[in-house]
Amino acid sequence: GAGVSQSPSNKVTEKGKDVELRCDPISGHTALYWYRQSLGQGLEFLIYFQGNSAPDKSGLPSDRFSAERTGGSVSTLTIQRTQQEDSAVYLCASSYSQGDTEAFFGQGTRLTVV
Amino acid sequence: AQSVTQPDIHITVSEGASLELRCNYSYGATPYLFWYVQSPGQGLQLLLKYFSGDTLVQGIKGFEAEFKRSQSSFNLRKPSVHWSDAAEYFCAVVASGGSYIPTFGRGTSLIVHP
Repeated sequence: GAGVSQSPSNKVTEKGKDVELRCDPISGHTALYWYRQSLGQGLEFLIYFQGNSAPDKSGLPSDRFSAERTGGSVSTLTIQRTQQEDSAVYLCASSYSQGDTEAFFGQGTRLTVV
Repeated sequence: AQSVTQPDIHITVSEGASLELRCNYSYGATPYLFWYVQSPGQGLQLLLKYFSGDTLVQGIKGFEAEFKRSQSSFNLRKPSVHWSDAAEYFCAVVASGGSYIPTFGRGTSLIVHP
C-alpha cells in the first residue's frame, strides 16, 4: 500500500477482554515501531522490530502486552485482559532502515476500554 | 538514554505572526533530530530532520529548525503562521550510535487565532 495501514481505526472493548491491533507497514520497510499515545501525553515507545532481529520489547508496560511480526511485514499488537488504563491511541510506524530515515506513521487505533 | 523536552504544552499565536516551538534534548553525542506534526485524528507527518551539516534545516509547509549544539536545542520556527498550522507538534531524537528508536517529546499544541 501507499502508506502504513492500521486496523481497526477504533476499538471499544470491555475490561478483561483481549484485543488485537494490526499494522501493515509500507512494503520494503524493515523497521517497525509501536507507540502508545495517551491523552495529553507524548508518544510512549512500546516495541521495535528490525528485519529478522529479535524485537526490542523494552517499552512494553506489562506482560499483558505482546507483539509479533510475521514474514517481516504485518505486525499484530495484542493486549490481554485489558484494563481501563490501556485506553489510548496506538500508533504504528515503519521506516526503510533504522535510525536516520523518516518514520512513516499510520493513523492509529483508538482503543477504549469500558 | 536520550530524552526530549518540549517545555511548552500549549502555544497560542495570531494568524500571520511568527512562531517558535522549543525542543531540548539530552544525549551524549550529536543525535538525529526530527520534528513531526499531528493534525486531529491523524498520524504523524515529518516536517523536517537534521542529521549533520548545515545547522539550519528547511522543511515542508514553510517550517525551519536550527540545531544548536551548545544549547542542546532544535527549535522549530515559521515566520508567518496560517490557521491550518493549528496542530500538535512533536520533537523527536534518535541516538546516532544507539538503539535507533525515536524518542519523542510530550508535544506542543499550537492554537492559531484569526
